[in-house]
Amino acid sequence: EPEVTQTPSHQVTQMGQEVILRCVPISNHLYFYWYRQILGQKVEFLVSFYNNEISEKSEIFDDQFSVERPDGSNFTLKIRSTKLEDSAMYFCASRPPGTGELFFGEGSRLTVL
Amino acid sequence: AQKVTQAQTEISVVEKEDVTLDCVYETRDTTYYLFWYKQPPSGELVFLIRRNSFDEQNEISGRYSWNFQKSTSSFNFTITASQVVDSAVYFCALNHMNYGGATNKLIFGTGTLLAVQP
Repeated sequence: EPEVTQTPSHQVTQMGQEVILRCVPISNHLYFYWYRQILGQKVEFLVSFYNNEISEKSEIFDDQFSVERPDGSNFTLKIRSTKLEDSAMYFCASRPPGTGELFFGEGSRLTVL
Repeated sequence: AQKVTQAQTEISVVEKEDVTLDCVYETRDTTYYLFWYKQPPSGELVFLIRRNSFDEQNEISGRYSWNFQKSTSSFNFTITASQVVDSAVYFCALNHMNYGGATNKLIFGTGTLLAVQP
């Protein structure tokens, strides 16, 4: 069964460093998402991406964050200068056209020291 | 405003007990989806069910059952004869569609931590 894959599963970084989280969505899906879950809290929407552009972003998704789909298969989330409060699990999701169902990856845990 | 409320923060039961997890939602959309996800200690989000707003039939899948009541905006989840492996955080979510359908983001509740004691 096709699935959304994310790498790395866990990354530890120093505050101020740039981090790129990678996702490979399911191949026939057209809509892509990043969500964030700070430890012990709920899953929060960050950004949605469709037709090679951001379709919606939350207030969390400030100028430190960016997304791109560089090669038609990967979907990346970049955090330019990480802060302690960026420590969280980051989930990628994709959705096929015509349904409301999002398929989630297993998450990338980011720890900022 | 779109909102999902899971009033139960934590529930603890003893194995073989039945347990119901509550979910209440708010939306102005006439068409929407509701979901339940399970998050075990390993952290991934495991899809359990999707329910279309047009379909109010209750659903049963093994030990799991869901009660969708549009009149009370609730989508409750019952586990029958709970097992230790059911211990996890359970999230209810609402699919919010914007006019163009290009967002369709999920709005999650705060989750309910279910602990099943042996």
